[in-house]
Amino acid sequence: QSVLTQPPSVSAAPGQKVAISCSGSSSNIGNSHVSWYQQLPGTAPKLLIYENNKRPSGIPDRFSGSKSGTSATLDITGLQTGDEADYYCGTWDSSLSAGVFGGGTKLTVL
Amino acid sequence: EVQLVQSGAEVKKPGESLRISCKVSGDSFTRCWISWVRQMPGKGLEWMARIDPGDSYTNYSPSFQGHVTISVDKSINTAYLQWSSLQASDTAMYYCARQGLVGTTENWLDPWGQGTLVTVSS
Repeated sequence: QSVLTQPPSVSAAPGQKVAISCSGSSSNIGNSHVSWYQQLPGTAPKLLIYENNKRPSGIPDRFSGSKSGTSATLDITGLQTGDEADYYCGTWDSSLSAGVFGGGTKLTVL
Repeated sequence: EVQLVQSGAEVKKPGESLRISCKVSGDSFTRCWISWVRQMPGKGLEWMARIDPGDSYTNYSPSFQGHVTISVDKSINTAYLQWSSLQASDTAMYYCARQGLVGTTENWLDPWGQGTLVTVSS
């Protein structure tokens, strides 16, 4: 079982908005920044969001992140078929002295 | 532009040893941690370990401690992940990635290597 908890799947229609949650604890999300990754089929993961809500250069502002307490959320607006992918949250766990990921969420754009 | 280029796919038998590599270019090799991430077939990402390329200080996930070893060769800007005795359950895609500036609390993974597929089968 993953240290961070994500819903296995979410779906929405093109143009709509979706939110993907990531739940943790005081030893990980509660005291570390959260990052989000997009993994398109057959490719390596790519950084989408870092330090809870910052976007790397080249990432559209349709992708946004937030964090509150021991949970984080990735919001995607204006959904496109090209957004169909697996999304992972990640952070550092101070009790484990290790990085941790959520189990991943498969986004389907209907 | 920072790039991480990993070694090619491997097919091994149970009990064999293996070392895969990750070469960093485009930036100072010792600025950032190098991490390794496992992805078993059809499964999610699992953080395995990280290394400070400057002094080879390491952190391992409890799930992987004792089963794999990570190291670097600063002279050729390359990080390694190795096994002394592979098991069928080690069959997976393995990614390397930079994970934040050494000496800071930065913990995001960027960029990632293209992945190395390891297949262990008798």
